[in-house]
Amino acid sequence: QKEVEQDPGPLSVPEGAIVSLNCTYSNSAFQYFMWYRQYSRKGPELLMYTYSSGNKEDGRFTAQVDKSSKYISLFIRDSQPSDSATYLCAMNLEGGSEKLVFGKGTKLTVNP
Amino acid sequence: DGGITQSPKYLFRKEGQNVTLSCEQNLNHDAMYWYRQDPGQGLRLIYYSQIVNDFQKGDIAEGYSVSREKKESFPLTVTSAQKNPTAFYLCASSGGANNQPQHFGDGTRLSIL
Repeated sequence: QKEVEQDPGPLSVPEGAIVSLNCTYSNSAFQYFMWYRQYSRKGPELLMYTYSSGNKEDGRFTAQVDKSSKYISLFIRDSQPSDSATYLCAMNLEGGSEKLVFGKGTKLTVNP
Repeated sequence: DGGITQSPKYLFRKEGQNVTLSCEQNLNHDAMYWYRQDPGQGLRLIYYSQIVNDFQKGDIAEGYSVSREKKESFPLTVTSAQKNPTAFYLCASSGGANNQPQHFGDGTRLSIL
């Protein structure tokens, strides 16, 4: 079983739709969870950074972490064509380990 | 503006040649990282450094080398021993303590001539 599983898509939605992106993981020791957005030929850009379980909201973006199910989600409300990108989940351990483990990314297209 | 600068944006390597990718940051971050990204695969860690003059191998260090002589700089050399070097290389940095998130540069695409 891979450490982090992420559906690669592609996912295509109409403008204004609510988008749900998800990752599952196998290592219960992961405590820090991140979502990055990557446009074509660019580096990943940090969108959300959460610790342990719970929700975090930032504008149109909401990140959810369910540690009991080892499942994290990113919701995008009122999706825009500019949200079209690849979304990467990442996570790492508590206690000073700096290594990030990434999902393979989900490619999202928002159609005008 | 603060950020991470990678150069060049595109690089071509001949067979048997070593090439060096540059990564500079002005964020005063202690830790720096190199990742490789291939189509359909997640980012894979090549090397990382948490402090000047010290670095550790990541998951796929074979065929690569690094140095960390200055806090701001973490160059990556792709040696001739790396048999499949064509990829998108990403440099990142972080505050280095308390699991601060990593921030990325815009990458270098390396291709073989």
